[in-house]
Amino acid sequence: NAGVTQTPKFQVLKTGQSMTLQCAQDMNHNSMYWYRQDPGMGLRLIYYSASEGTTDKGEVPNGYNVSRLNKREFSLRLESAAPSQTSVYFCASRPTGDSNQPQHFGDGTRLSIL
Amino acid sequence: AQKVTQAQTEISVVEKEDVTLDCVYETRDTTYYLFWYKQPPSGELVFLIRRNSFDEQNEISGRYSWNFQKSTSSFNFTITASQVVDSAVYFCALSINAGNNRKLIWGLGTSLAVNP
Repeated sequence: NAGVTQTPKFQVLKTGQSMTLQCAQDMNHNSMYWYRQDPGMGLRLIYYSASEGTTDKGEVPNGYNVSRLNKREFSLRLESAAPSQTSVYFCASRPTGDSNQPQHFGDGTRLSIL
Repeated sequence: AQKVTQAQTEISVVEKEDVTLDCVYETRDTTYYLFWYKQPPSGELVFLIRRNSFDEQNEISGRYSWNFQKSTSSFNFTITASQVVDSAVYFCALSINAGNNRKLIWGLGTSLAVNP
């Protein structure tokens, strides 16, 4: 009964380091999403994917790349981390048979960049 | 514009009080969906309710109720007899078309503190 699993839960990086945040879902959902959450700014969409092999930019894609290699996994990569990317990152997934099913969220990754 | 406004940034109540969280939305879609999510202090995001634009019936689930009014573009959330466990940030969101997919437009959230 795992749902959406994000790893790691916490990470501290130095400016300029690279890192990949992992997300996997076991609900056979087609759509997956990456958000960042910052104080006072709610959730902002970074990238999303309608299906395996497709990705689209959200509101704040700069400084990030994503990869949807299979239906289960959707990873988010920071190539050269910057302090402005300190945030809590959430992955979500949703079925697309009924296009307005709710998104299911992972527990988040708290990322600090020094 | 497509946006969600939660005008109340923070609300503080005493246990057993009723509290209403406001949500006003703007959309050019004729068919759309609205959602409420709860984020307790532990940080996870929990889905509470989905409402589609052609169903204006109010919904009640235990102490929670939702009032959807298309005429005022509002989808307000009321907690009756609030409890300390209701303390959380509550987000309202609007589902919009995004090419071959749909995505959510989020409000900034209302932080609710229920004090004993």
